[in-house]
Amino acid sequence: ILNVEQSPQSLHVQEGDSTNFTCSFPSSNFYALHWYRWETAKSPEALFVMTLNGDEKKKGRISATLNTKEGYSYLYIKGSQPEDSATYLCAFLGNRDDKIIFGKGTRLHILP
Amino acid sequence: NAGVTQTPKFRVLKTGQSMTLLCAQDMNHEYMYWYRQDPGMGLRLIHYSVGEGTTAKGEVPDGYNVSRLKKQNFLLGLESAAPSQTSVYFCASSSQPSTGENMNTEAFFGQGTRLTVV
Repeated sequence: ILNVEQSPQSLHVQEGDSTNFTCSFPSSNFYALHWYRWETAKSPEALFVMTLNGDEKKKGRISATLNTKEGYSYLYIKGSQPEDSATYLCAFLGNRDDKIIFGKGTRLHILP
Repeated sequence: NAGVTQTPKFRVLKTGQSMTLLCAQDMNHEYMYWYRQDPGMGLRLIHYSVGEGTTAKGEVPDGYNVSRLKKQNFLLGLESAAPSQTSVYFCASSSQPSTGENMNTEAFFGQGTRLTVV
């Protein structure tokens, strides 16, 4: 059974502070790693699709890195804002013909 | 493009009743998924399909059936609803590259269906 682990489960961060969280996935048979942002009462939306070891992607104040050899990805948020409050999901695609496997998510709360 | 559309958005069922949730996508995606979201549990995969005419069990398939008669539609059925099936249900679809040239493998989600079984 392939496992995708995210940590921490929940995180409280002061507005203006930077933060990061982790996604761990099987390091063998890697195809792609996705990050999603999931706001309350909405649907998850993709932030990044990462496919190459050493990839670094950025969207505004949010960025992500990928290490496929050791099986982890970090999501960074710089200068947290209240609108960053959401659940961040990562998802692993281990084979181009396999299904997407989601982690349980990191719930981020930004404190004013 | 409409993307992924789920119907209905809300439903209240009595224990023992049956219903079907419809998911439709217009992106020509091969893969479709049904998830349920419960507090503190993240997304749990119920069933999925890798193409028209195929279905497979996910993490929590008991009490649900699915069908994928057309590529664009994925139906989730509850034959005899139970209070434990009260949840928010999400459908998603994705494309699976066959040659490695298309790296757009991310899932697109419907807006969710809030189901209450009383």
